[in-house]
Amino acid sequence: SQELEQSPQSLIVQEGKNLTINCTSSKTLYGLYWYKQKYGEGLIFLMMLQKGGEEKSHEKITAKLDEKKQQSSLHITASQPSHAGIYLCGADKRGYGGSQGNLIFGKGTKLSVKP
Amino acid sequence: SQTIHQWPATLVQPVGSPLSLECTVEGTSNPNLYWYRQAAGRGLQLLFYSVGIGQISSEVPQNLSASRPQDRQFILSSKKLLLSDSGFYLCAWSVSYNEQFFGPGTRLTVL
Repeated sequence: SQELEQSPQSLIVQEGKNLTINCTSSKTLYGLYWYKQKYGEGLIFLMMLQKGGEEKSHEKITAKLDEKKQQSSLHITASQPSHAGIYLCGADKRGYGGSQGNLIFGKGTKLSVKP
Repeated sequence: SQTIHQWPATLVQPVGSPLSLECTVEGTSNPNLYWYRQAAGRGLQLLFYSVGIGQISSEVPQNLSASRPQDRQFILSSKKLLLSDSGFYLCAWSVSYNEQFFGPGTRLTVL
């Protein structure tokens, strides 16, 4: 089974609408990272969450960490075509018996925004 | 400011041929360096990481190897490529155990 599950796998929204992407871990979360990727390009770092209940925002993107549920959500307000891409969550491998600082990633959520 | 470079951007190689992908980082010292592979349907997988010159740790057994000859240079190699080595290879760096920053990637197709 997938250790870091993202939902939905893909999402199509109308420009201006809000949306939420979820990332659920099967293990304890020591750190949760959100990245955005355009097809064929590298990952762009968005936000890092480390403490339960932590919430961070950057422009119209907000991410929250629910440590008890081992879950993080990424919320985009008033989506724009520039938000389109693949959103990936990554978790510190400490929770999976790996080395601190190494990351395990979900398979990503593909977001399309229709103008 | 820090920048990370990867080359080549794309590569098409026959099965059985050697491979060398290079990654360099500018604007930081003693970074942690990482090689990932992104293959269709399998997500992003950590292959190797390095905390210093000559120090390489492998995450999964495979047909590839990595080397770090200089502080800000990370090389991914293979002596004989397999079809299953095709994918998008990403290099990343971090300072200590903080967020990782990724390069533009190399698209490798093995025929």
